[in-house]
Order: sequence, then C-alpha cells, then structure tokens
Amino acid sequence: AQSVTQLDSQVPVFEEAPVELRCNYSSSVSVYLFWYVQYPNQGLQLLLKYLSGSTLVKGINGFEAEFNKSQTSFHLRKPSVHISDTAEYFCAVTLKGGGNKLTFGTGTQLKVEL
Amino acid sequence: GAGVSQSPSNKVTEKGKDVELRCDPISGHTALYWYRQSLGQGLEFLIYFQGNSAPDKSGLPSDRFSAERTGGSVSTLTIQRTQQEDSAVYLCASSHNSYGVEQYFGPGTRLTVT
Repeated sequence: AQSVTQLDSQVPVFEEAPVELRCNYSSSVSVYLFWYVQYPNQGLQLLLKYLSGSTLVKGINGFEAEFNKSQTSFHLRKPSVHISDTAEYFCAVTLKGGGNKLTFGTGTQLKVEL
Repeated sequence: GAGVSQSPSNKVTEKGKDVELRCDPISGHTALYWYRQSLGQGLEFLIYFQGNSAPDKSGLPSDRFSAERTGGSVSTLTIQRTQQEDSAVYLCASSHNSYGVEQYFGPGTRLTVT
C-alpha cells in the first residue's frame, strides 16, 4: 500500500520569504503526485501535479515542486509567499494504473505573517 | 461552468439517526469520489464510482456506510445509525475518466453527530 508523509504540521513564515513544504511518499509501484491547497471552509484545489517527464513542475499561484525518485520526495516551494497563501497544503498520490483514489498526507498548515 | 456541489453544507444529527449526503458532480465527469476529513484521521478515501463499473468501496469504514450514484451523475452517501466518530467533513470530487487527472472537489458537508 502507498503512504504519504508530511513531517511538518505547521510552517510559519514571514511575507515575501521563501518556503518549502516537505512531502515524502512510499509505494511499491509507480505513482502520480499531487499538491492540493485548502483554504478555510473550502474544498481542495489542485496546485500542481507530476505525471511524467520533467521533474520540476510549476503550478498555480507561483508554486513549484520537484519530483525526486531516489529520495521518494515531492517537496513544494515558493520563492516569495504572500499573506493570501495562508492555508493548509496536502500532498497526495495515486497509483499508476490503479484507479484514481487519492492517498493524502496529514497536511501542512502554512501561516504567513507580516 | 458550475463546479461540484454538495448538500447540505452542514448537518447536525443525533446519534443513531440515519443521514444522507448529496453530491452533484461536474457535468460530463464520469468519475466520482467520496472522501472524509476528520481531525483524528486526516483525509481518507471512502468510495469511487467510474462510469458503469462496480464501485470501489474499499475505503468505507463499516457496513453502516453506503453510497449510490444514479444515472451516472448525482451521488448520495448514506450513513446509518450514526455514531459520534462519524463527525467529519465529507468531501465529494469528480474527474474525467483518465488516470492522473485532476479531481475537482466540492465544498464539503460538515456532519456533526451529537
């Protein structure tokens, strides 16, 4: 079975500073990787995804992530955060060829401060 | 076009009662998913419908939970004899019939069992 680990439950950061949210996964087969964002009292919105090809993936709102197969990681980065980026971020995987059900990490609460 | 909609947005019920949660997917999406988001368990997959295929029920936590999808569109998640541990936000998502594609999430139904 696959699993996703987000070691940081909360990440405080000052506005305009860079941020990295960490994600590691475990799976015996190939996976697709996703980052979703959840604003308060809302559903989840896709930030970016890695299916194949270039390991550096760019998403919405200036976020990017890099797939590292050897380290089984898919860390999310943004060079300069804004107050509006305050939200919870979830890393998720689905198995290639195994249906589309998502397995999520426990989430990282990003809090951007002035 | 319209996104995924869910109703009700909030539901308070007494322990032991049955509840029905509704999901209207995006028109034309053949895949529909139910997830549960709770403080103790995070985001977890419940059930997955794909076209006319038999649903993947592997995430349903007990036989008190069931779901159906009528006419390949609207879905209803039913919880019988609700327990306090069923309190959570129930999220519905839909997608096209392809692996690795984005799942579009609804705003969720917050269920509170008293």
